[in-house]
Amino acid sequence: GQNIDQPTEMTATEGAIVQINCTYQTSGFNGLFWYQQHAGEAPTFLSYNVLDGLEEKGRFSSFLSRSKGYSYLLLKELQMKDSASYLCAVRYGGSQGNLIFGKGTKLSVKP
Amino acid sequence: DSGVTQTPKHLITATGQRVTLRCSPRSGDLSVYWYQQSLDQGLQFLIQYYNGEERAKGNILERFSAQQFPDLHSELNLSSLELGDSALYFCASSSPTGTQYFGPGTRLTVL
Repeated sequence: GQNIDQPTEMTATEGAIVQINCTYQTSGFNGLFWYQQHAGEAPTFLSYNVLDGLEEKGRFSSFLSRSKGYSYLLLKELQMKDSASYLCAVRYGGSQGNLIFGKGTKLSVKP
Repeated sequence: DSGVTQTPKHLITATGQRVTLRCSPRSGDLSVYWYQQSLDQGLQFLIQYYNGEERAKGNILERFSAQQFPDLHSELNLSSLELGDSALYFCASSSPTGTQYFGPGTRLTVL
């Protein structure tokens, strides 16, 4: 199968930086997405990587290494509202292909 | 607001019954994806439609079916419902670059 692995839970302090890792199987890879999901709500799109390197978007950055099958989401200047689940998803196939989601990393931000 | 709409927001029904969930994609998006998310589970891909045609199938039970209509809205039909079908059901549509945007979801409770 196409397993997407990410830590189940993480805890960090308000104002700090946290890195959430994701590993995936590389065969057929065609893009990696990060989503944020608050409990009971819809996932919201955060970032997209298809080439190696770092994509920065405000307080959030996402990194990709295609050869290693590895990505991370970096959250800076953590705020209480960043407490949520962060979902790593990989697309295998064409641009309209479906996504395979990891189980998500539940991030708790503490004062 | 992602631009994807789903109805109803909540649905409570009994075992053995049949329900229909409705989704309207963002204006201009041709692909619609259906996902199931059970308590403490990741997003499970069910099925994808592209411009009215079934494109990909995931872990969709035979009791479940879907279709996409000429106006591009989609319906997910769940029949012979069981307690284990209680979950959040999300619909997503994708931009030409393949980024998926999720609707607010339908929370199904089977009693």
